[in-house]
Formats: sequence, structure tokens, C-alpha cells
Amino acid sequence: AQSVTQLGSHVSVSEGALVLLRCNYSSSVPPYLFWYVQYPNQGLQLLLKYTSAATLVKGINGFEAEFKKSETSFHLTKPSAHMSDAAEYFCAVSEPVSGNTPLVFGKGTRLSVIA
Amino acid sequence: GAGVSQSPRYKVAKRGQDVALRCDPISGHVSLFWYQQALGQGPEFLTYFQNEAQLDKSGLPSDRFFAERPEGSVSTLKIQRTQQEDSAVYLCASSSGQGGPLYYEQYFGPGTRLTVT
Repeated sequence: AQSVTQLGSHVSVSEGALVLLRCNYSSSVPPYLFWYVQYPNQGLQLLLKYTSAATLVKGINGFEAEFKKSETSFHLTKPSAHMSDAAEYFCAVSEPVSGNTPLVFGKGTRLSVIA
Repeated sequence: GAGVSQSPRYKVAKRGQDVALRCDPISGHVSLFWYQQALGQGPEFLTYFQNEAQLDKSGLPSDRFFAERPEGSVSTLKIQRTQQEDSAVYLCASSSGQGGPLYYEQYFGPGTRLTVT
């Protein structure tokens, strides 16, 4: 069975500082991996995805993530935090058996950005 | 149209009442997923439709939960005899594909927040 662990339920950074949100996965097959962002009272928005192409994936809003098979990790980074980045971030995994398998999510990390 | 829409956005039900939550997927999207998101948790899979066929309902927590998509577009998630532990945000997502080696992005609606008192 697949699972996702997000280290740190809450991360706080200063505006302009590096953002690092950690995600480790467990999967019996090479997975697809995703990062979603959720703003209050809104649905989930896809930031970026890894689907077995380049291991360094660039997404929207300046975010990127690197798939490291040896570490079973898919950490999310952004060089310089903006106030608008404050939100809940979810890492998710799915099996690439077919194009439509359910996503398995981590518990989320709430990012706070301090002015 | 625009994105995935869900209604109502908020629902308060007394314990024991039945509720129905609606999802309007993006027009033409073949696949539809329901997820449950408890407070402070990540979303958890409930059920999946491909057109009108319910292909996976392994995540439904009890037989009080029932989902349908009779014409392959709009879907309804019904919860009978609601309990306090059913309080959560119910998210719907749709995607354009129906299987195969390609990945199809899931687009999420804003969710319905259900509170059972």
C-alpha cells in the first residue's frame, strides 16, 4: 500500500527566506508524485507533478521539487517566500498503473510567512 | 464552463438526518473522484467513477455512504443517518481521461463542509 509522510505539520519562514517542505513516500512501484496547495475555504490546486520524466520538476508560483528514488523523497522548495504563499500544502502519491488511480495524500503542512 | 463546482458549500445536519452533496465536474470529464477531508488531515479517497460506472468504492467508510453518477456527468454523494464522525469537508475532483499509461490531472472543487450536530 502506498503512503505519504509529511514532516512538520507547521512550517514558519520569513518573507524572502527559503521554503522547504518535506515529503517522503512509500510505494511498491515507481510512483507518480504531486504537490497540491489549499487556500482557506478553497479546493486543492496542483503545484507540480512527477510522472517519471525529469526528476527535477518545476511548478507554478516559483515552486520546484526533486524526486530522489534513493531517499524516497519529493521535497518542495521555493527560493524566496512571499506572503501569498501562506497556505496548506499536501504531498500526494498515486500508482501509475493507469491514468486514473486515487491519490493518497499526506496530512499536510501549513506554511506561515512572517513579514 | 469553469471548474468543478460543488453544492451546497456548507451543510449543517442533525445527527440521524440524511444529506446529499452534489458535484458538477468539468464538462466532458470522464472520471470523477470523491474524497473526505477531516479537520487537520489530508483528503482520503472515497469512491471513483468512470462515466456512469462506479469502478472503485473501497474508500466508503460504511454502508451509510452511497454515491451515484447516473448520466455520467453530475454526481451525488449521499450519507444516510449522519453521525458526528461524518463531519468533514467532502471534495470532488474530475479528470479528462479514462485509464491507460497517461496521467490525467485531477481538478478539485471547493468542497462541501458538512457539520453534524
